[in-house]
Amino acid sequence: DAKTTQPNSMESNEEEPVHLPCNHSTISGTDYIHWYRQLPSQGPEYVIHGLTSNVNNRMASLAIAEDRKSSTLILHRATLRDAAVYYCILRAIAGGTSYGKLTFGQGTILTVHP
Amino acid sequence: EAGVAQSPRYKIIEKRQSVAFWCNPISGHATLYWYQQILGQGPKLLIQFQNNGVVDDSQLPKDRFSAERLKGVDSTLKIQPAKLEDSAVYLCASSSTSMETQYFGPGTRLLVL
Repeated sequence: DAKTTQPNSMESNEEEPVHLPCNHSTISGTDYIHWYRQLPSQGPEYVIHGLTSNVNNRMASLAIAEDRKSSTLILHRATLRDAAVYYCILRAIAGGTSYGKLTFGQGTILTVHP
Repeated sequence: EAGVAQSPRYKIIEKRQSVAFWCNPISGHATLYWYQQILGQGPKLLIQFQNNGVVDDSQLPKDRFSAERLKGVDSTLKIQPAKLEDSAVYLCASSSTSMETQYFGPGTRLLVL
């Protein structure tokens, strides 16, 4: 499985933007970049995903490097409710035993200060 | 739309006892997953069902863990006998297909003493 590298933890202040980085230098052409987050005592929830172009939704934005070897999840205005573990995951869309699977790493623990 | 339901939410057992967890996926979702999440780690896939058939159980410790999804809807995961290292949160997730977004339940927190 293609691997991702994320910082163990990051901190932010409430109402400020947060940029969560992810490195995935071994990404293949058939891997989508997915982000999930896990709030305390809850199951993971989907945040956003993309292939090549930057993506926006109501929760966040995803900026993907031109060579696709890294990406950044952007929370435009962090709130206390955004404190969670954020997972960057490569999801294969074709072929092999990894097809469709989500392989979670340890993620980034985001702390938001009031 | 109702989410993924799991029960019980918490369970404490002695080692060598048996335990079972139940999951009811989102209505109409054909794909169902069981994950194990040990404290401080990300979730690890144990087994994936497509309708009532097993797609992947390569990381399921089959000597003690079993899972079924007999009617292609709800599912049970069983541990028999439990070991101390089975203490973890067991998460169930479902998706409409194996490539669509996975929706997770709240999990069952298991403590083996």
